[in-house]
Amino acid sequence: GESVGLHLPTLSVQEGDNSIINCAYSNSASDYFIWYKQESGKGPQFIIDIRSNMDKRQGQRVTVLLNKTVKHLSLQIAATQPGDSAVYFCAEMGSRSNNNDMRFGAGTRLTVKP
Amino acid sequence: DSGVTQTPKHLITATGQRVTLRCSPRSGDLSVYWYQQSLDQGLQFLIQYYNGEERAKGNILERFSAQQFPDLHSELNLSSLELGDSALYFCASSPRGGAGNEQFFGPGTRLTVL
Repeated sequence: GESVGLHLPTLSVQEGDNSIINCAYSNSASDYFIWYKQESGKGPQFIIDIRSNMDKRQGQRVTVLLNKTVKHLSLQIAATQPGDSAVYFCAEMGSRSNNNDMRFGAGTRLTVKP
Repeated sequence: DSGVTQTPKHLITATGQRVTLRCSPRSGDLSVYWYQQSLDQGLQFLIQYYNGEERAKGNILERFSAQQFPDLHSELNLSSLELGDSALYFCASSPRGGAGNEQFFGPGTRLTVL
């Protein structure tokens, strides 16, 4: 079946280093992708999104890369800070206007060491 | 604080029972989404309402139902509860109905079915 999954369940980085969190998806019809951050005891928080007609989008300290050829999505966090420690989820949807088929990856736990 | 409130924070009940979870969206947001987060299934989209009307449906069981009231708050009703329904239930809201709009998540309700 089709699924959204993460390559690594955990990632540990040194404060100040860059972090890269990966996500694989198998539905080639997916059109819209989102990264969420979830801190312990809180709900998910939107970080950045990207549509399938783009291959890169930048935010504040974060960059999302989309490789449709290999169905791969990544989140890059620059100069990782202790406050970045959280679980990161990718999500995919078939259409930006339709939540019906929204699916989430399992999540990657990012730990930032001081 | 996202501005989305959910009550109760914790709920413990027995199998076969029925519970109601409540969500108040951010001021001005017309759309409400419900999600379930469990250890084995991860985060799953359940259902979306926009201005009182059902807009999108995900993996919501027939035992579950939801509604959005004229004041835009929403309730998720879970009936004939089973052990496997134990999970975190999140509500999110967005200004408009399009799923691509940033969704703001509440702190969640932790449901434990004994």
